[in-house]
Amino acid sequence: KNEVEQSPQNLTAQEGEFITINCSYSVGISALHWLQQHPGGGIVSLFMLSSGKKKHGRLIATINIQEKHSSLHITASHPRDSAVYICAVVPGADGLTFGKGTHLIIQP
Amino acid sequence: DADVTQTPRNRITKTGKRIMLECSQTKGHDRMYWYRQDPGLGLRLIYYSFDVKDINKGEISDGYSVSRQAQAKFSLSLESAIPNQTALYFCATSDYREGTDTQYFGPGTRLTVL
Repeated sequence: KNEVEQSPQNLTAQEGEFITINCSYSVGISALHWLQQHPGGGIVSLFMLSSGKKKHGRLIATINIQEKHSSLHITASHPRDSAVYICAVVPGADGLTFGKGTHLIIQP
Repeated sequence: DADVTQTPRNRITKTGKRIMLECSQTKGHDRMYWYRQDPGLGLRLIYYSFDVKDINKGEISDGYSVSRQAQAKFSLSLESAIPNQTALYFCATSDYREGTDTQYFGPGTRLTVL
């Protein structure tokens, strides 16, 4: 069974700070997803990675397949970035296996 | 209009009742999924379907059943609801032909079983 561990579980930071959220998994995967869950509950997909690095606006996601590790970075963080960030992996042909999420609060 | 819709959005029911949660999508995707989310446990896969004739159990399928009535519709049933099925339920779709298998989530259904 593929375990997905995220750290930290909770993170509070000041506006403008550089944020890093980490995700580690235990077995081989074909892809990794980063999701954002808004305070109202809705979930949106941010990135899907199978190698390397992707950037979208102030968000950057990286993955190291050999080390079974991915990071999500937020530059120049803003209160509207406050959300739960969820890492999910694709271990095979089935649906996703999820981490428990990182609850991020950005204070003005 | 939202691409993935779920009905109802909220439901309170009693132990032993049969409940159906419905999911519809306008994205034309073949793949559909049902997940539940519990505080402290994260999202877990209940059932998934890769096309109308394909239904597969996920990690926590016991106590649930599904029906894929059409490419656009995927329903989740609780045959006899119990309190530990109280959770937030999400439907999602994906299209592997996009090359990313990005999942698109519905808004969620908050189910409370008393």
